[in-house]
Amino acid sequence: SQQGEEDPQALSIQEGENATMNCSYKTSINNLQWYRQNSGRGLVHLILIRSNEREKHSGRLRVTLDTSKKSSSLLITASRAADTASYFCATEGQGGSEKLVFGKGMKLTVNP
Amino acid sequence: KAGVTQTPRYLIKTRGQQVTLSCSPISGHRSVSWYQQTPGQGLQFLFEYFSETQRNKGNFPGRFSGRQFSNSRSEMNVSTLELGDSALYLCASTYDRGTDTQYFGPGTRLTVL
Repeated sequence: SQQGEEDPQALSIQEGENATMNCSYKTSINNLQWYRQNSGRGLVHLILIRSNEREKHSGRLRVTLDTSKKSSSLLITASRAADTASYFCATEGQGGSEKLVFGKGMKLTVNP
Repeated sequence: KAGVTQTPRYLIKTRGQQVTLSCSPISGHRSVSWYQQTPGQGLQFLFEYFSETQRNKGNFPGRFSGRQFSNSRSEMNVSTLELGDSALYLCASTYDRGTDTQYFGPGTRLTVL
């Protein structure tokens, strides 16, 4: 069953604009991860944020985590056509489930 | 380091047949997880193997099974294929915990006719 749910489900922007994706989840977590998938291929890990962190940066990526609202956001700044992909959030539940649960993903299209 | 490799990349089978998919993790990684991805259900966890033992299992029928060898390579098997088994099967490896950063292979696209 999916725990994370990305919002919006699809986003279309112009190159150079910023893209923001949101992820909401249901149960307490130890960490939250974001992944990217180019059409029909394997997923690529983007960033991991732990439950005791509020914000993390990696290059053009900025992730925030609000555990009180059970939500996270991924911001991609100065988007490029190569950022066109599906983006997934994944959570590791607490309580020793020891497996990642992925959301259904969000399709980002960056138009040149 | 070479990435995660999966073979074959594409497979076409008919209902009732069985299929075996292979995954070679990144060198030194001991945990291999398998996922099924379909447009309707998204990415669903199948199982995770660590040191040749199944450590976690998702909610799939017994037709789905797997194993891991001493060199950490893993195989998954689906018996008595159904049309609904058509999917992209992804494996991912990590050094230790199955919930650490996952390094994914390119996937095997299985089509069941």
